[in-house]
Amino acid sequence: EPEVTQTPSHQVTQMGQEVILRCVPISNHLYFYWYRQILGQKVEFLVSFYNNEISEKSEIFDDQFSVERPDGSNFTLKIRSTKLEDSAMYFCASSEVGTGISYEQYFGPGTRLTVT
Amino acid sequence: SQKIEQNSEALNIQEGKTATLTCNYTNYSPAYLQWYRQDPGRGPVFLLLIRENEKEKRKERLKVTFDTTLKQSLFHITASQPADSATYLCALGVQAGTALIFGKGTTLSVSS
Repeated sequence: EPEVTQTPSHQVTQMGQEVILRCVPISNHLYFYWYRQILGQKVEFLVSFYNNEISEKSEIFDDQFSVERPDGSNFTLKIRSTKLEDSAMYFCASSEVGTGISYEQYFGPGTRLTVT
Repeated sequence: SQKIEQNSEALNIQEGKTATLTCNYTNYSPAYLQWYRQDPGRGPVFLLLIRENEKEKRKERLKVTFDTTLKQSLFHITASQPADSATYLCALGVQAGTALIFGKGTTLSVSS
């Protein structure tokens, strides 16, 4: 069964460094998302991406964050200058969406980002 | 303000019983609602989706209901097993392809 994959599974970085989290969405999906979950808290939406542009973003997704689909399969989240409060699990998700197609969002296993 | 509440943080039941989890929302008009399972340190796993014009959906031992008048969804696991122990998340969507808004989850423990 097709699944969303994410790399790396765990990333440790120092405050102020740039990190890039990578995702391979399910191949026939058109919408891509990033969510995060701080330990013990709820899953929070960051951004959605469709047709090579951001379609929606939350207040969390400030100028420190950017997303890109550099090729036909990868979807990346970049954090330019990490802060301690960016420590969280980051989940990539994708959905098919279209006329008569289901709206389910399928999540990857996550990247645990630890900022020290 | 918009709010999603899942009835309790923890629910403990015995194997073989039916687990019922509740998701209530205020100040939303969701087009659909999804239920996910999340194990510790893992990503949410999609279980069921129900749309605003549907009253009930079933999949094997799982059943979801959606009452837009009460602004509530119920999630049932029948004949529960210890392997069903996990955190269950409800998530609302107002439009296809847009953000899901998640509840905090209910942690279900099924004892044998």
